Amino acid sequence: QKEVEQNSGPLSVPEGAIASLNCTYSDRGSQSFFWYRQYSGKSPELIMFIYSNGDKEDGRFTAQLNKASQYVSLLIRDSQPSDSATYLCAVGLEYGNKLVFGAGTILRVKS
Amino acid sequence: GAGVSQSPSNKVTEKGKDVELRCDPISGHTALYWYRQSLGQGLEFLIYFQGNSAPDKSGLPSDRFSAERTGGSVSTLTIQRTQQEDSAVYLCASSLQASNTEAFFGQGTRLTVV
Repeated sequence: QKEVEQNSGPLSVPEGAIASLNCTYSDRGSQSFFWYRQYSGKSPELIMFIYSNGDKEDGRFTAQLNKASQYVSLLIRDSQPSDSATYLCAVGLEYGNKLVFGAGTILRVKS
Repeated sequence: GAGVSQSPSNKVTEKGKDVELRCDPISGHTALYWYRQSLGQGLEFLIYFQGNSAPDKSGLPSDRFSAERTGGSVSTLTIQRTQQEDSAVYLCASSLQASNTEAFFGQGTRLTVV
């Protein structure tokens, strides 16, 4: 089992819809969770982080964390074509004390 | 500096040559990561430095790859006897601490082995 798993996609959504990106992790002791966006040919950039169970909202983005289910998600409301990118989930593992990235989900927003 | 700086931005080398890639992390960041990303693929973890602890080298693909971090700051990734399959973008990231703070990425070094 991989430490951090994401569906590779591509996930296609129409413009204006909600895009839902999911991530599961194996280390039950993980305490920190991050979502990065990576445009083609560019480096990953941080979108959001979440540490506590529940929802965290920032503009059109909402991160959701459920530690009991070892599950973190990212919702993008009113999706725009400019949101088309690869979204990477990163988890701060308790053991090894390092950030581990999932393989990423490709999101395509169609106008 | 203001961000993570990597050099060179592009490197073309002949098969069999050695290359050195440099990463200058954000000042004060104790954690430093090296990743490799082949075209259309995800991030492949290579090595992780945290403060004065022994580095986590579990991601290095072969003994041709090595990295060091001098004085807890600048890091150099060395690839010996390069092969065509080493062609990729090599990304460096740093974070203030270890797993509980976000990592910031440099712009990467695009390595092409011909």
